[in-house]
Amino acid sequence: QKEVEQDPGPLSVPEGAIVSLNCTYSNSAFQYFMWYRQYSRKGPELLMYTYSSGNKEDGRFTAQVDKSSKYISLFIRDSQPSDSATYLCAMSQGNYGQNFVFGPGTRLSVLP
Amino acid sequence: GAGVSQSPSNKVTEKGKDVELRCDPISGHTALYWYRQSLGQGLEFLIYFQGNSAPDKSGLPSDRFSAERTGGSVSTLTIQRTQQEDSAVYLCASSLSLYLTATDTQYFGPGTRLTVL
Repeated sequence: QKEVEQDPGPLSVPEGAIVSLNCTYSNSAFQYFMWYRQYSRKGPELLMYTYSSGNKEDGRFTAQVDKSSKYISLFIRDSQPSDSATYLCAMSQGNYGQNFVFGPGTRLSVLP
Repeated sequence: GAGVSQSPSNKVTEKGKDVELRCDPISGHTALYWYRQSLGQGLEFLIYFQGNSAPDKSGLPSDRFSAERTGGSVSTLTIQRTQQEDSAVYLCASSLSLYLTATDTQYFGPGTRLTVL
């Protein structure tokens, strides 16, 4: 079992839909969680950074952490074609950069 | 300002040849990281630098891989005697320090796409 799992997709949704992207993990010690967006032929860029459990909202994006279920989610409201990208989750016990474990990513296509 | 740059953007080589990949981090960033990304795989951590020092090289896949950083800036990842399984995108990232926060985060370069024939 991989330490961090994500459905690779591709996930195709119509423009304006609410998108739910998820990761599950096995290490209950993880406390820091991040979501990255990666456009084709580009490096990942940070979307959301959360510590411990709960929700965090930033514009159309909401990150949710459920440590009891070892499950994190990223919701995208009013999805746009420009949201089409691969979304990677990353997590770590501490916030040292070298310790973050990445999921394989979910490829999202938002169709106009 | 300028982000993280990597060169070359694409590299095609023959099995058995050596390749050198370069990373120019954001100026002032003390931490630098190398990752490998293969199709369907997550980012595989290879090595990190704090300044010019690489405290832990255990993430490097084999002794054919080496990395160095000079002047607290440019880093090179060298792969000797390349194999077909080395084909992947090699990503470099830098951060102000090793401690990542919502505002002090890793910034990734566009990657070098390596193809070993």
